[in-house]
Amino acid sequence: AQKITQTQPGMFVQEKEAVTLDCTYDTSDQSYGLFWYKQPSSGEMIFLIYQGSYDEQNATEGRYSLNFQKARKSANLVISASQLGDSAMYFCAMRVPNNAGNMLTFGGGTRLMVKP
Amino acid sequence: GAVVSQHPSWVICKSGTSVKIECRSLDFQATTMFWYRQFPKQSLMLMATSNEGSKATYEQGVEKDKFLINHASLTLSTLTVTSAHPEDSSFYICSARWVAGEKLFFGSGTQLSVL
Repeated sequence: AQKITQTQPGMFVQEKEAVTLDCTYDTSDQSYGLFWYKQPSSGEMIFLIYQGSYDEQNATEGRYSLNFQKARKSANLVISASQLGDSAMYFCAMRVPNNAGNMLTFGGGTRLMVKP
Repeated sequence: GAVVSQHPSWVICKSGTSVKIECRSLDFQATTMFWYRQFPKQSLMLMATSNEGSKATYEQGVEKDKFLINHASLTLSTLTVTSAHPEDSSFYICSARWVAGEKLFFGSGTQLSVL
């Protein structure tokens, strides 16, 4: 079974500073994908970044980067230069190929609050 | 980027009535769609996996007779909450997978309130 753990239920960060959101995962599969999603108060889920288990380089998308440490089974999200609009819930998720086709397992989420 | 449209975004209904929620992939074909439920300040809970043209696969503990899922085409999946009760009040969100892609794209969600 797959498991995603986000140990930080809530975090504060000062505007313009960088912040790291933790995510650890557990799977026995060799092939998997890791995702981060942002959920603002409106409820929608916004895709941020993806890391494949065989990708050798850490994924980056604009101000978002994923610190992928495979041996430690961690996939932390780093947001640089935080903005007020970054305040939201952030979910780490993992996909393992199965018969259902790309089912995601979500972590419990981290609520990020950016202070002006 | 790919767009998934979910409708309605907000619905209030009386206890005992049925509510249908639509999830459409607007610019890609989605052979698989997923339905999630989210309670306030909690993570998403997968309810069922919907494959086009076949019966949905429900997660343990999800009543398939209560939450009817239909995936009749490559661009549309529906979730019908039958005989809704106040405990069914929740935020429901769908996601869709590109046929050959890695990413899942989410609808904007539906807030259901059952009185």
